[in-house]
Amino acid sequence: EAGVAQSPRYKIIEKRQSVAFWCNPISGHATLYWYQQILGQGPKLLIQFQNNGVVDDSQLPKDRFSAERLKGVDSTLKIQPAKLEDSAVYLCASSQQGRGQETQYFGPGTRLLVL
Amino acid sequence: AQSVTQLGSHVSVSEGALVLLRCNYSSSVPPYLFWYVQYPNQGLQLLLKYTSAATLVKGINGFEAEFKKSETSFHLTKPSAHMSDAAEYFCAVSEEAGNNRKLIWGLGTSLAVNP
Repeated sequence: EAGVAQSPRYKIIEKRQSVAFWCNPISGHATLYWYQQILGQGPKLLIQFQNNGVVDDSQLPKDRFSAERLKGVDSTLKIQPAKLEDSAVYLCASSQQGRGQETQYFGPGTRLLVL
Repeated sequence: AQSVTQLGSHVSVSEGALVLLRCNYSSSVPPYLFWYVQYPNQGLQLLLKYTSAATLVKGINGFEAEFKKSETSFHLTKPSAHMSDAAEYFCAVSEEAGNNRKLIWGLGTSLAVNP
C-alpha cells in the first residue's frame, strides 16, 4: 500500500513570495490533515478535510494560507505572501474516517525556509 | 481543552539501557492516546495507541506504554535501547471538538542513544 506522498520535499523562498505544497493521501482515506511543525515543537493542525469539505480550519492563518481538496483526493496548501515565521516543516496526514481512535498516516513533509 | 505534557525535552540513554519517556495528559473523559516517532527528515510514524482496551499497550520496535488513569499518564518504555531508537517522540491525545476529533500534541522528547 502506497503511503502519503508530498512534494516538494524542500523549498526555499524569499519573504513575500508565494509557495504551494501538494499532498496525495493513502487511497480510500476520507480525512486529510495539514500540519505545521516548527523546529522543536509538536505538529500544529492547520486544516482538516473530510472528503472535500473543511472540518476544522480554526488555526489556519486565513489572511495568507489557503488549502483545497478538490474531488476529495489530492490537496494543496498555499502560502501567499510568505513571512519569515512560516519557516517550518509542513506535514500532510490522512486517516480512514477521522474518528478519534484512528491512526493518522503521515507523509515525509515539506521543509520550507523563508529568507 | 485538553493538554499533553512530555516531561524532558531531551533524554539520553546508553545502548542497552531502559528507555522511559514520560507523558501526562489532562482529560475529563477516557481518552484515546498515541505515541508517534519521528526519525530525522521523515514524517511521523505510529508507535502505539490506547483505545480503551488493555491498559498495557505493545507497539512496534519493542516499545510499550501503560495507561494509568489515576495518574493521567501514558509513559513509553523499552527495556533495552538500540542505536536506531534515536529519534523524536511525540505523545498525543485525541480531543473531541464538536462532531470532530483532533489530536493534541505534546512538544516532543528527543531521545539520544549513546554507544
